[in-house]
Amino acid sequence: AQSVTQLGSHVSVSEGALVLLRCNYSSSVPPYLFWYVQYPNQGLQLLLKYTSAATLVKGINGFEAEFKKSETSFHLTKPSAHMRDAAEYFCAVSDFNQAGTALIFGKGTTLSVSS
Amino acid sequence: DTAVSQTPKYLVTQMGNDKSIKCEQNLGHDTMYWYKQDSKKFLKIMFSYNNKELIINETVPNRFSPKSPDKAHLNLHINSLELGDSAVYFCASRQGMGYGYTFGSGTRLTVV
Repeated sequence: AQSVTQLGSHVSVSEGALVLLRCNYSSSVPPYLFWYVQYPNQGLQLLLKYTSAATLVKGINGFEAEFKKSETSFHLTKPSAHMRDAAEYFCAVSDFNQAGTALIFGKGTTLSVSS
Repeated sequence: DTAVSQTPKYLVTQMGNDKSIKCEQNLGHDTMYWYKQDSKKFLKIMFSYNNKELIINETVPNRFSPKSPDKAHLNLHINSLELGDSAVYFCASRQGMGYGYTFGSGTRLTVV
């Protein structure tokens, strides 16, 4: 069974500081990996995805993530945080080959940004 | 606009009632999903349909029944609502393997 673990349910940074949100996955087959963002009272928006192409993936809003198979990790980073980045972030994994599977989400990390 | 749209956005109802949530996508996607987000923001898959065929049916009370009249619509009917059904329900669709899901804006269900 696939799963993702997001380390740290809450991360606080200052505006302009580096953002690092951690995600480790467990999968017996090559995975697809995703990061989603959820702003208050809104749906989920796709930030970026890894689908076995380049291991460094660039997404929207200046975010990027690196797939490290040896560490089973897919951490999300942004060089300089903005106030508008404050939101809930979800890492998710999907089975590469199975059409009958769904995205499995981590428990989420709340990012707070202070001025 | 191309999107996944859910109605209603908010739903407040009494215990024991029956209610439905509707979802429509005009993206041409073949696969649609229902997810439940609980009060701790944990997202859990409930159902998935591919071209009107049920392909995922997680351990969900049988009071919950999805219906897909065509591949652009996936509705969720809930019978005999309970307090524990209070949550945000998200509909989503996907173009194919390796593509991200497009989510609706959610339906906040409150059972009183």
